[in-house]
Amino acid sequence: GNSVTQMEGPVTLSEEAFLTINCTYTATGYPSLFWYVQYPGEGLQLLLKATKADDKGSNKGFEATYRKETTSFHLEKGSVQVSDSAVYFCALSNTGGFKTIFGAGTRLFVKA
Amino acid sequence: GAVVSQHPSWVICKSGTSVKIECRSLDFQATTMFWYRQFPKQSLMLMATSNEGSKATYEQGVEKDKFLINHASLTLSTLTVTSAHPEDSSFYICSARNSVMGTEAFFGQGTRLTVV
Repeated sequence: GNSVTQMEGPVTLSEEAFLTINCTYTATGYPSLFWYVQYPGEGLQLLLKATKADDKGSNKGFEATYRKETTSFHLEKGSVQVSDSAVYFCALSNTGGFKTIFGAGTRLFVKA
Repeated sequence: GAVVSQHPSWVICKSGTSVKIECRSLDFQATTMFWYRQFPKQSLMLMATSNEGSKATYEQGVEKDKFLINHASLTLSTLTVTSAHPEDSSFYICSARNSVMGTEAFFGQGTRLTVV
């Protein structure tokens, strides 16, 4: 079945450090891939998405590239800010089941 | 973008009572709605999928008689937690999609349920 695996957290970084959160997936067909962010006490916000191989999603300095050959969708940001502290979820959805399948989430702490 | 509104944002209820949570798609028709549950510091677990006008499809392990889902219109789905108990306390999140709009689902802001 479809599944998403992402690196365990928490990840603690200093402000302006480089961020990578790894995400790999298992899926039939050609899923769409997403990164969602959840701030404390809030719901989910879509951060970025990619719908086909080699697509790069980007938003607010974050980016991720859909790599079919490695079944990965790693999240990166060149310089994190304290306000980026949140939980990040990698997810996939395909046209077959329509469900969005989430990874376990990675908690990011950014220190000033 | 597409907006999904969930109400209430938080609710406290007494053990044994029932609680209804609403999920509305404000600017699009939601052919499919999903209900998720999230325990503290954990990921979102899909509870059920509902298509407008049809009975919901529940994930394995989810009690359909306890978590009643209704999707009577293309813009509204409700989740009713019946005879709630403290172990039902959780964060419940809905999402909605329309197949014409692609594979992306749009999420509500979530409802924090506390059963005392």
